[in-house]
Amino acid sequence: QSVLTQPPSVSGAPGLRVIISCTGSSSNIGAGFDVHWYQQLPGTTPKLLIYDNTYRPSGVPDRFSGSKSGTSASLAITGLQAEDEADYYCQSYDTTLRRVFGGGTKLTVL
Amino acid sequence: EVQLVESGGDLVKPGGSLRLSCAASGFNFNTYNMSWVRQTPGKGQEWISSISSDRTYIDYADPVKGRFSTSRDNDKNSLYLQMDSLRAEDTAVYYCARDLPENDAFDVWGQGTMVTVSS
Repeated sequence: QSVLTQPPSVSGAPGLRVIISCTGSSSNIGAGFDVHWYQQLPGTTPKLLIYDNTYRPSGVPDRFSGSKSGTSASLAITGLQAEDEADYYCQSYDTTLRRVFGGGTKLTVL
Repeated sequence: EVQLVESGGDLVKPGGSLRLSCAASGFNFNTYNMSWVRQTPGKGQEWISSISSDRTYIDYADPVKGRFSTSRDNDKNSLYLQMDSLRAEDTAVYYCARDLPENDAFDVWGQGTMVTVSS
């Protein structure tokens, strides 16, 4: 069981918007630690998608955005494309466990 | 091109040992903190260990503390993970990852190497 909780799966039609949630606690996200998001396309290695809650590394489309509030964070993907179909993971820091991940969310583009 | 290439994964019996290596290229390895992260189908991603650029700080996740040891050779642009007293639950794909500077995110990942612990 992961320290950060994500929905196992989400889906959306091409062109629409989906949101993936990441819920933590007062010892990690709620303590003020930043949240990062990774995209793992099928058969590939994880790729940093969002860091420090809202920042995109160069090359990441602005269709991807992140936010954080309280003990939770969210990743929003707008204008869904077939190539967005992947697993998405959130990550933060925990005062006891150090770096922690969510269990991952599988995005299916319908 | 920034690249991390892991090697050393194998099938090993419970209680056995294994040493993973990670060869870095395309960036100034000696200025970056580095980490190991593992991934299993059941547990997802799990941070294992981190080492500072100058080796003065090394940290381990509780499940591997006392059994795993992380080191680096900045002259060889290489990161290592010595794994002893291996258990079935250590079975995973092990990734070498570069730490985003002054951050706990990982901005570059290797392709991973598979470690299977089974009798």
